[in-house]
Amino acid sequence: EDQVTQSPEALRLQEGESSSLNCSYTVSGLRGLFWYRQDPGKGPEFLFTLYSAGEEKEKERLKATLTKKESFLHITAPKPEDSATYLCAVQYGGATNKLIFGTGTLLAVQP
Amino acid sequence: SAVISQKPSRDICQRGTSLTIQCQVDSQVTMMFWYRQQPGQSLTLIATANQGSEATYESGFVIDKFPISRPNLTFSTLTVSNMSPEDSSIYLCSVVQQGAGEQYFGPGTRLTVT
Repeated sequence: EDQVTQSPEALRLQEGESSSLNCSYTVSGLRGLFWYRQDPGKGPEFLFTLYSAGEEKEKERLKATLTKKESFLHITAPKPEDSATYLCAVQYGGATNKLIFGTGTLLAVQP
Repeated sequence: SAVISQKPSRDICQRGTSLTIQCQVDSQVTMMFWYRQQPGQSLTLIATANQGSEATYESGFVIDKFPISRPNLTFSTLTVSNMSPEDSSIYLCSVVQQGAGEQYFGPGTRLTVT
């Protein structure tokens, strides 16, 4: 069955304490893997797209990497404003742009 | 990226009634989607809104319950019909711009059915 699994479900960090979030997927013919940030009461905010194994993308304190089975979102020296739910989604198969989302990681960064 | 607005931002509705949610984009887009996010859960695709033709629904979602219109390349509506408390969710529209792979989301409509 095609699915996307994120871990951990929740993560509490101290400000400045670096860590990684995991997104593993079991789909055939991955076309793209997407990372989003979602704040409470808001729609998901696009962060990164990764298309092939070995690809990396960075934005401020965030770095996303991709292998053939999973993706990591590394957070370096996080700040309280990085607190949010981080969602990953995969696009696969035919020519549509449909996304399958994981259940997300709720990140809390304490000052 | 496209700027997406949704109306209403939130509503409280009674069981058995219907609500129409609007999604407006500030530029023409090739694809528009409607998602549902139930409390504490991730996003589930309801349907792809096709311009000028019937929407394409995902398994578990039907046109009679969630009729969708897309009269042009910048606007779509989703109606939640004959609502029950189980329909209480956040409803989100998303868009893909021509030539891009990224999908951008609107702010969502928080629906509570009593």
